[in-house]
Amino acid sequence: QQQVKQSPQSLIVQKGGISIINCAYENTAFDYFPWYQQFPGKGPALLIAIRPDVSEKKEGRFTISFNKSAKQFSLHIMDSQPGDSATYFCAAISNTGNQFYFGTGTSLTVIP
Amino acid sequence: EAGVAQSPRYKIIEKRQSVAFWCNPISGHATLYWYQQILGQGPKLLIQFQNNGVVDDSQLPKDRFSAERLKGVDSTLKIQPAKLEDSAVYLCASSLRPGGRDTQYFGPGTRLTVL
Repeated sequence: QQQVKQSPQSLIVQKGGISIINCAYENTAFDYFPWYQQFPGKGPALLIAIRPDVSEKKEGRFTISFNKSAKQFSLHIMDSQPGDSATYFCAAISNTGNQFYFGTGTSLTVIP
Repeated sequence: EAGVAQSPRYKIIEKRQSVAFWCNPISGHATLYWYQQILGQGPKLLIQFQNNGVVDDSQLPKDRFSAERLKGVDSTLKIQPAKLEDSAVYLCASSLRPGGRDTQYFGPGTRLTVL
């Protein structure tokens, strides 16, 4: 059973556009939600993370929106650049800190 | 600051053979994680160590997988015997503290192909 559902599987955006990736979860024991960026041949790298007590967190061009009641969260990449082309994973971590679940990933391509 | 080191980077074996992967975390990081990433999927946590003790290994297939971190620094992950479905990238990550709130730094991974 997939603990964290991620969509879309792939996304193509024009340079300067907004990229939006969505994730959903069911387990209310999750209380920390990071996003990772992964380039081919590399390990994932933490991009931004949020706790459920806030509805939005912004770092530069990256914003997480969090809807606790709907158990959904999303990553918005503003002014998308070709260098943002990568695979993005959402994740959820339990309040005990020993259960980690990643989404299935979104392959983002930003066209110049 | 040196990153997480893993070796080998690539390994090809036949099914039923054994294989071992090595990880050296960032200096001073007490927590070490092993993940399995099957092509087209997100990483799946196999085991989490705090120093040389196991925090969680609930998703480690213990009939064939084993991991150790004897001196609380380097770690090895072993598969014995390997199956075709074990073909994946095995990622090692480390963080200062356990619990997932500290940033995890990932190594480049070991790509395993089981024929």
